[in-house]
This record gives sequence, structure tokens and C-alpha cells, in this order.
Amino acid sequence: GQNIDQPTEMTATEGAIVQINCTYQTSGFNGLFWYQQHAGEAPTFLSYNVLDGLEEKGRFSSFLSRSKGYSYLLLKELQMKDSASYLCAVTNSNYQLIWGAGTKLIIKP
Amino acid sequence: DAMVIQNPRYQVTQFGKPVTLSCSQTLNHNVMYWYQQKSSQAPKLLFHYYDKDFNNEADTPDNFQSRRPNTSFCFLDIRSPGLGDAAMYLCATSGSGGATDTQYFGPGTRLTVL
Repeated sequence: GQNIDQPTEMTATEGAIVQINCTYQTSGFNGLFWYQQHAGEAPTFLSYNVLDGLEEKGRFSSFLSRSKGYSYLLLKELQMKDSASYLCAVTNSNYQLIWGAGTKLIIKP
Repeated sequence: DAMVIQNPRYQVTQFGKPVTLSCSQTLNHNVMYWYQQKSSQAPKLLFHYYDKDFNNEADTPDNFQSRRPNTSFCFLDIRSPGLGDAAMYLCATSGSGGATDTQYFGPGTRLTVL
């Protein structure tokens, strides 16, 4: 089977750094996406990784290791508005997008 | 601004009463997707269109149908909604459906079944 594993929930403090991990097992790999989803809203695109390494985009960075089937999303200088669910999704060899259930990130003052 | 629009944002229906959800896009994307998402779960792909070609996921119930009359519009018909169909329904689009293609989502329609 194909599956994406992420922690269900994480808590962090405003101004701090948090790392959200994602491991995947899919039939082939054609890239990994991170999306942000606020409660009751649609997912919005954050990042895409297809090569190993770190992609930095402002306060958010995403890392990929294909050999380990592993990615993480790093959020720096956390703000209250970063409270949301973060979904990891992988495109497999059939170009299907396999979604994780998301990690609910709670930011405390 | 180019975008994906879904109507209505909130839909209440009665058990067994057909309902239609609509999605439109101004991105001129070839591919349109319908997802069902329940609380704290991953979005579940119901079907997608590559242009006019319809692709149904194997585990999508027959109760769910879709129409895409033109590039811009796509509809989700739920013929006989059950209590288990209460969920957020998300429409998304992508340019070509390729591996690197980002999917752009509409705001979703939250369906309540009474």
C-alpha cells in the first residue's frame, strides 16, 4: 500500500522554530508537496521538493531525502497565524497525489 | 485575480435529497479535481478530469457523479446523500496534471446532511 505518515498534532511557542516531519512509502516518487490548511479553509500551496536537500522560502523551509523517504517542513519565527494543519503529499509514478492526514500545529503565546 | 471558485460555501441538504456543488476556474487549467475531506483526515480524491476525459477513483461510490460542461466549470452531483457524506468538498485545478504540477484549491463547500 501507499501511505504518508505525519504527527497528528504539535504545539509550539510564538517566535520559536518547529519542524514537522513526514515519511512516505509510495509506488514511485515524482515530488513532494507541503500545503497549509487553516481550519475550515482549503489547502494552500507552500513548497515542492523533488531533489534531495533544503528549499528555503522566507520563514518556511522544506527538506527532502529520497533515499530515506523523508521530508520535513521547518517553520521559523512562529506567528499566531501559523496555527493551521500542514499536509504532506507525494506524487507517485502514476502522477497520483497521495495525501497525508496533516499535522495540526498549535501556536501558544 | 485568477482563481478557483466554489458555490455554495455551505450547503445543507436532507438525507436522500440530491445536491449539486459547483466549481469554476479562471486559471484556464486542463485538469480539475474533486476531493472529499472529513475532519482531521487527508483529502480523498473522488475523480478528476483531464480536459474532457473523466477519471473515476476505484473506491468512489456510485452515489457521486460529476460533469464538466466546459473548461471553466465542473459539478459534483450527490444523488442520494447519506449522513456519511457530510464533509468538506474541495475542488482543485492544475495546469497539466504532471508530476510537478501544483494543485490550486477553491475555498471548499461544507456539506451538512440532516
